[in-house]
Amino acid sequence: DAGVIQSPRHEVTEMGQEVTLRCKPISGHDYLFWYRQTMMRGLELLIYFNNNVPIDDSGMPEDRFSAKMPNASFSTLKIQPSEPRDSAVYFCASTLGGRSNQPQHFGDGTRLSIL
Amino acid sequence: QKEVEQDPGPLSVPEGAIVSLNCTYSNSAFQYFMWYRQYSRKGPELLMYTYSSGNKEDGRFTAQVDKSSKYISLFIRDSQPSDSATYLCAMSKYGNKLVFGAGTILRVKS
Repeated sequence: DAGVIQSPRHEVTEMGQEVTLRCKPISGHDYLFWYRQTMMRGLELLIYFNNNVPIDDSGMPEDRFSAKMPNASFSTLKIQPSEPRDSAVYFCASTLGGRSNQPQHFGDGTRLSIL
Repeated sequence: QKEVEQDPGPLSVPEGAIVSLNCTYSNSAFQYFMWYRQYSRKGPELLMYTYSSGNKEDGRFTAQVDKSSKYISLFIRDSQPSDSATYLCAMSKYGNKLVFGAGTILRVKS
């Protein structure tokens, strides 16, 4: 089975540009999570969806960040306009069911650099 | 103060050593505790899961939770170079909204 697929793997862009990160969750999973990982702050939950509906976006840092899940097999995280402090590795994860004992399956991340 | 504290290391040990990794937390409402392992340039993967206090063993790995002290541990016996990775503790109050520690970098030398 294919795991969580993220694209692009690397993104380098200039400050002020729009950035779109993409995620394809594992087929059949009903929860999708977006995380950001930095050396300073570790792995932080940004937002998560259940059955394509955003449930908790309290971790989204600013209005410059937005996330959508138009269907069960695709989600995007957009940053507009991007800033150098947004540089991080962004992970998408998915799981089946809402219980804590269900492992979250992570993609390999998008390494984002804002110049 | 962070909700979950974890020493970032790095922790360097010889092959075959017993490794002890730890996290402390401040929120007494946490009741689900996990350890994830993350290899370089990869996403984290679940290693161990524990509910409430107690021990859980899986092969060379043992997870311990002491809720009274707000302290969790992961022990690795007979450590191998392939165990070299970053180990992240994670916890939640309910459901699957996780709070992660910063991660401890482990290096096992052959």
